[in-house]
Amino acid sequence: QVQLQESGPGLVKPSETLSLTCAVSGYSISSGYYWGWIRQPPGKGLEWIGSIYHSGSTYYNPSLKSRVTISVDTSKNQFSLKLSSVTAADTAVYYCAREPETYCGGDCYFYYFDYWGQGTLVTVSS
Amino acid sequence: DIQMTQSPSSLSASVGDRVTITCRASQSISSYLNWYQQKPGKAPKLLIYAASSLQSGVPSRFSGSGSGTDFTLTISSLQPEDFATYYCQQSYSTPRIFTFGPGTKVDIK
Repeated sequence: QVQLQESGPGLVKPSETLSLTCAVSGYSISSGYYWGWIRQPPGKGLEWIGSIYHSGSTYYNPSLKSRVTISVDTSKNQFSLKLSSVTAADTAVYYCAREPETYCGGDCYFYYFDYWGQGTLVTVSS
Repeated sequence: DIQMTQSPSSLSASVGDRVTITCRASQSISSYLNWYQQKPGKAPKLLIYAASSLQSGVPSRFSGSGSGTDFTLTISSLQPEDFATYYCQQSYSTPRIFTFGPGTKVDIK
């Protein structure tokens, strides 16, 4: 069974860098698929942050792109998120998720998030 | 950017009711639409992908329909465990940019 587990500091100071890691078990990242980060401010909706392929290819939310770096370590079967220059607006539960694809013909692929971590709350405060 | 809206933002229903939630995209997204269920304190759970494909293990009372800009999630007979918030999400954008709808909270009447 595929499982994902986020880890990292629960408290980050303003202007510093938020760093989280997602450990994957039950599936080898090297086997394929994209792997994503999604966040949810307290009491609010979901926001996609970005995704990475096992090769290191990345896609980022344009609204966060200047501050986000997602990397992958296939030897440890994990991927990581770094978000720089954080403010209180970055306080959220951060989720990691698997992003498989379903082929629909030609160059058509459906993407979605099928396995999620439990989430980790990161608070930005001095 | 593709914007997603959902209606209603919340609804009250009883066990056994048929519930329909609507999701609308700001431009055509073909069938690149997914639905998730989220319970308080839990991660979202994938229900429907590609507008109408039921994710493995999800009860058949959940169904999705639509294409283009208008989509619906239907729960044919609401069960106690279905009280939750439901989000739609588009995956049409190229390069890939995922956008979630604001959510619809389903609670007990």
